[in-house]
Amino acid sequence: GAVVSQHPSRVICKSGTSVKIECRSLDFQATTMFWYRQFPKKSLMLMATSNEGSKATYEQGVEKDKFLINHASLTLSTLTVTSAHPEDSSFYICSAGAGLATYEQYFGPGTRLTVT
Amino acid sequence: QQPVQSPQAVILREGEDAVINCSSSKALYSVHWYRQKHGEAPIFLMILLKGGEQKGHDKISASFNEKKQQSSLYLTASQLSYSGTYFCGITLGGSSNTGKLIFGQGTTLQVKP
Repeated sequence: GAVVSQHPSRVICKSGTSVKIECRSLDFQATTMFWYRQFPKKSLMLMATSNEGSKATYEQGVEKDKFLINHASLTLSTLTVTSAHPEDSSFYICSAGAGLATYEQYFGPGTRLTVT
Repeated sequence: QQPVQSPQAVILREGEDAVINCSSSKALYSVHWYRQKHGEAPIFLMILLKGGEQKGHDKISASFNEKKQQSSLYLTASQLSYSGTYFCGITLGGSSNTGKLIFGQGTTLQVKP
């Protein structure tokens, strides 16, 4: 149980284009999903918390207009990187919250974004 | 607010033991442990909720010292498959409890034959 999928696993795009990443909880409903960014050999940096049916809560320093998050259903959240630049290249990982009181999070396999 | 993990890196031979510590400067609600292999997403190991709680499965266990605001992950009789980067993630207690995980900087564990 508690399987989270992410699509695509890898994407290469040109500067100025937008990229959408999907995160799905496959066997459970996730009221809350989280989006992280991870640089090589670094820790996971929380970008935003996504709640189904409401606006995402962004962490300080994360541009809302650049990283658009939509949580349309209890099993799907999307992250769109708009007008991507090479500095947006990174490993993006989503997680889905599985325990209301315990705040357990299960991670998707991640998306490697390369902006050329 | 980021918890501090120690050591930063450790190299073991198969069968040896290791301890990874995670310390917080603020009161903790829960501690979550994950292992991440290179290029992959973190895998959930366990969560500790109560001060003094100890958990374990197979040869990996953890403890939570609420008073000291720290947790320790114990790896005994290490196997090659234990290699990877271990992260602790904390949720804060009291009014700071928002449910979001704050991750430590990670501890790289390498097990050699």
